[in-house]
Amino acid sequence: DIQLTQSPSLLSASVGDRVTITCRASQGVSSYLAWYQQRPGKAPKLLIYGASTVQSGVPSRFSGSGSGTEFTLTITSLQPEDFAIYYCQQLNAYPLTFGGGTKVEIK
Amino acid sequence: EVQVVESGGDLIQPGGSLRLSCAASGFSIRSNYMSWVRQAPGKGLEWVAIIYSGGTTFYSESVKGRFTISRDNSKTTLFLQMNSLRADDTAVYYCARMSGARYDDLRGHLYDAMDVWGQGTTVTVSS
Repeated sequence: DIQLTQSPSLLSASVGDRVTITCRASQGVSSYLAWYQQRPGKAPKLLIYGASTVQSGVPSRFSGSGSGTEFTLTITSLQPEDFAIYYCQQLNAYPLTFGGGTKVEIK
Repeated sequence: EVQVVESGGDLIQPGGSLRLSCAASGFSIRSNYMSWVRQAPGKGLEWVAIIYSGGTTFYSESVKGRFTISRDNSKTTLFLQMNSLRADDTAVYYCARMSGARYDDLRGHLYDAMDVWGQGTTVTVSS
């Protein structure tokens, strides 16, 4: 199975900050990597697919990069509604796997 | 509006069976690849199963042989039949549409992400 390791697991930040979350895969997944945001009590929401394509309707402050085994999700100018848990997911091979999540909390 | 709505979650005893449903609107389940994903209380996301538009299915090792993903004849409802339930199956179960589904001669079946999610249905396995 492809393991996805996210870092950090907890990130404390302030409104307006630029934040970066890293997702490392135990083996190459090409660009078959997606990022999701999950707010408390809600379903995950797709942010990024193909490692760097922003899903329609997602604010432009969200961006993704990387390929192979190392990926990043960047949020420029953090907004109050961005405090949530973020997950990466690989769709390159079965079983599909998710990272352990990164909680972005208010500093 | 494109959406999915899950139902069927319940409190069930270990060893029991349950069938979850996922009703789609705004798109055809038959024409899309669909997955089930679960989330145990306070834990992360875990992929459970997928069904291609052609009917091919794949499962995670943790549910293989116990769970079955299927569609109804009208192709508007997705199901997850869960048998031999265990305490560690306790979770919120989400159904999700796989976006960008396509077939590539070299790589086979491909898709981009899970772009439509329901609100989830809760399954609790406990005596």
